[in-house]
Amino acid sequence: SQTIHQWPATLVQPVGSPLSLECTVEGTSNPNLYWYRQAAGRGLQLLFYSVGIGQISSEVPQNLSASRPQDRQFILSSKKLLLSDSGFYLCAWRVRGVNTEAFFGQGTRLTVV
Amino acid sequence: KQEVTQIPAALSVPEGENLVLNCSFTDSAIYNLQWFRQDPGKGLTSLLLIQSSQREQTSGRLNASLDKSSGRSTLYIAASQPGDSATYLCAVRLREAGNNRKLIWGLGTSLAVNP
Repeated sequence: SQTIHQWPATLVQPVGSPLSLECTVEGTSNPNLYWYRQAAGRGLQLLFYSVGIGQISSEVPQNLSASRPQDRQFILSSKKLLLSDSGFYLCAWRVRGVNTEAFFGQGTRLTVV
Repeated sequence: KQEVTQIPAALSVPEGENLVLNCSFTDSAIYNLQWFRQDPGKGLTSLLLIQSSQREQTSGRLNASLDKSSGRSTLYIAASQPGDSATYLCAVRLREAGNNRKLIWGLGTSLAVNP
């Protein structure tokens, strides 16, 4: 069966520090991978998606970047965090195809202080 | 532009009640609609996916329907239990060239089932 791992679960970082959140998927190959941010009252916002190794599409301009160094690994990064980067970050994957389910990790609560 | 709305934003019911959560969308050009559950501070759990050609999907006490022409989906929960308390989110996948990898999300319905 397929599983998705996302870590860490919580993170408190000072303004200006770097960020690295990691997500890995097991039990499938060549998945589509996604990073979302969820803010209270604003719903889920798609940040990045990837259809293959090294292929990253950005949905919104921001202080963040994403990378996919391996088929089932997706990393969200920042060189210098801003207060506005605080939020709940979710990684997701799905099998390629239009009628496939999306599955989510347990999320990372990031607080920038 | 596709917009997804979920009403009500919050719902509180006594245990054992059957209930319906609503999701509406403005553009019927979709591939599918997916319902999720989110517990506080946790990730999302996929409940049901309905393809645009389908009318409903069932899983245990959950039944989701889709009326694409009217832009509506409902999630029916039978014999609700306190463990059903969570936020329920719906999302649609656009049928749009170059843009079909995205899900468009509602803001969710926060459900509390009281013992």
